[in-house]
Amino acid sequence: AQSVTQLDSQVPVFEEAPVELRCNYSSSVSVYLFWYVQYPNQGLQLLLKYLSGSTLVKGINGFEAEFNKSQTSFHLRKPSVHISDTAEYFCAVSEAAGNKLTFGGGTRVLVKP
Amino acid sequence: SAVISQKPSRDICQRGTSLTIQCQVDSQVTMMFWYRQQPGQSLTLIATANQGSEATYESGFVIDKFPISRPNLTFSTLTVSNMSPEDSSIYLCSVAATLYNEQFFGPGTRLTVL
Repeated sequence: AQSVTQLDSQVPVFEEAPVELRCNYSSSVSVYLFWYVQYPNQGLQLLLKYLSGSTLVKGINGFEAEFNKSQTSFHLRKPSVHISDTAEYFCAVSEAAGNKLTFGGGTRVLVKP
Repeated sequence: SAVISQKPSRDICQRGTSLTIQCQVDSQVTMMFWYRQQPGQSLTLIATANQGSEATYESGFVIDKFPISRPNLTFSTLTVSNMSPEDSSIYLCSVAATLYNEQFFGPGTRLTVL
């Protein structure tokens, strides 16, 4: 069985400051990793995904994430946040691309001016 | 990418009644899923909607409570039966696009049960 832990339920951050959202997973098989963003009262949008290859993955809106197999982590980073980045961020894993997803508990990012 | 629509977008229902949520995709897809997002919580998979056969339910979810239909490769419905206030959630449909190796999500249906 797979599980995903997002260590921070809320992350307040000032505008133009960097942010890191932590995600750790457990699985008995190789996994595919995803970060989704949910803006208030909206559906989920994919930020980035790791399927294979380079462990540093770049996504939309200036986000990037690094896959670390030895630490079973997939932390999300952005060097400079904007007010518009205020949202809920979900880390998710699946055993195969296109297969069902297991989500972490989510991290609520609040960007302050 | 796949464009997904859900109907209704929101509803307020009385306890004991049932609501059917529709999910329509603009292209044929193999895999369709239904998730529940309870207030302030993460997403939990309810079931995988299989075309031409019964849905595959996750632990804690049963067909009598959440019957699912999938008559073709672009459409699915989820019914929330005999509703109680605990069923108040956002219900999301998603599809897996093999070409893109990712899942796309619909906008969700926000259900409130009084």
